[in-house]
Amino acid sequence: AQRVTQPEKLLSVFKGAPVELKCNYSYSGSPELFWYVQYSRQRLQLLLRHISRESIKGFTADLNKGETSFHLKKPFAQEEDSAMYYCALSNTGFQKLVFGTGTRLLVSP
Amino acid sequence: DAGVIQSPRHEVTEMGQEVTLRCKPISGHNSLFWYRQTMMRGLELLIYFNNNVPIDDSGMPEDRFSAKMPNASFSTLKIQPSEPRDSAVYFCASSPWDRQNTEAFFGQGTRLTVV
Repeated sequence: AQRVTQPEKLLSVFKGAPVELKCNYSYSGSPELFWYVQYSRQRLQLLLRHISRESIKGFTADLNKGETSFHLKKPFAQEEDSAMYYCALSNTGFQKLVFGTGTRLLVSP
Repeated sequence: DAGVIQSPRHEVTEMGQEVTLRCKPISGHNSLFWYRQTMMRGLELLIYFNNNVPIDDSGMPEDRFSAKMPNASFSTLKIQPSEPRDSAVYFCASSPWDRQNTEAFFGQGTRLTVV
């Protein structure tokens, strides 16, 4: 079964501090991992995916198959990063998309 | 394209009433997902369709919930009878879901309140 775990409901940091939002997954096959973000009063949208190996808005995430993790990182948080962040996993057939419970990131000035 | 369109945006209903939520996916997308968002459980996948066919409805909480996708441009999620614990934000998402593009595009959600 697919499962995504985000252990932190809330992460509060000061502007300029490093950020790491944790995500662990369980899946017996070869997964595709994503991070989605929901800014206040906006739609949930894709932030990045592991196969793209890209940095979006300063965020990066590396898939660690040994630790079954896909943590989201940013070296210097900005106030506009405040949002709800969801880690998600899709199955080998790239169909079923399952989300974690989400972490609210609050960046204070 | 206006993106995924959900209606209504807000729904307040009395316990026991039937509720129907509607979704228009992005044209050309072959996968459609229904999610429920709550503070406690985050985003729960209720059901998803591929090419209008329900593939996995294991997330549907009870028989009171049903979903249909009669054609590629329309889907409904129905709750009958509704209960206060069904209060949540319900999201619909669609995706082209091929190897080149596995991004899911979300609607703005329907906030359901059952009193």
